[in-house]
Amino acid sequence: KQEVTQIPAALSVPEGENLVLNCSFTDSAIYNLQWFRQDPGKGLTSLLLIQSSQREQTSGRLNASLDKSSGRSTLYIAASQPGDSATYLCAVGGNTGFQKLVFGTGTRLLVSP
Amino acid sequence: GAVVSQHPSRVICKSGTSVKIECRSLDFQATTMFWYRQFPKQSLMLMATSNEGSKATYEQGVEKDKFLINHASLTLSTLTVTSAHPEDSSFYICSARSRSGTSGGTWETQYFGPGTRLLVL
Repeated sequence: KQEVTQIPAALSVPEGENLVLNCSFTDSAIYNLQWFRQDPGKGLTSLLLIQSSQREQTSGRLNASLDKSSGRSTLYIAASQPGDSATYLCAVGGNTGFQKLVFGTGTRLLVSP
Repeated sequence: GAVVSQHPSRVICKSGTSVKIECRSLDFQATTMFWYRQFPKQSLMLMATSNEGSKATYEQGVEKDKFLINHASLTLSTLTVTSAHPEDSSFYICSARSRSGTSGGTWETQYFGPGTRLLVL
């Protein structure tokens, strides 16, 4: 059974810092990995999707990497801003059947002005 | 990008009543829809997967008779919480996966709705 863990659980940084969020998963037989952002009481916003054959994806100040063999992904946020404050979730897409997503435990990020 | 809506966004009901939540894909046809539940400060947990025209597949530990799912068309799935109790209070989120090319994205991408907050008194 796939298990997805995110470290740290919470992170507080001053504005402008570069930061790294970590995601690890136990079963490397994945189809893809996705990073989401969730604001309090809201739904999910997809940030980046990495296919299992890819090593990284970039969008603006965000860069996500994937090391499938070691079961790890990182989300790098450059020059953080207060508007980046949210919970970040990684989700792993299974390789069989409906390719269901298994979500990580999330990292709550607070960027202070 | 593809849009998924949920209705209602928030509902409060009395214990013992049933509540229906709708999930719609607005600009694409969704062959598969997923229903998740999220308790406060916790991650999303998949409840069930529904395919248009067939019975839903429930995850282990989810009562199919309590959480009725209907996926009657390629743009609509409904989740009915029957005889709701306070412990069913949660944030329910649906997602929809499009057919190849229909929404402009890859077919395996799930598009998420904004969620429905259920409070059972």
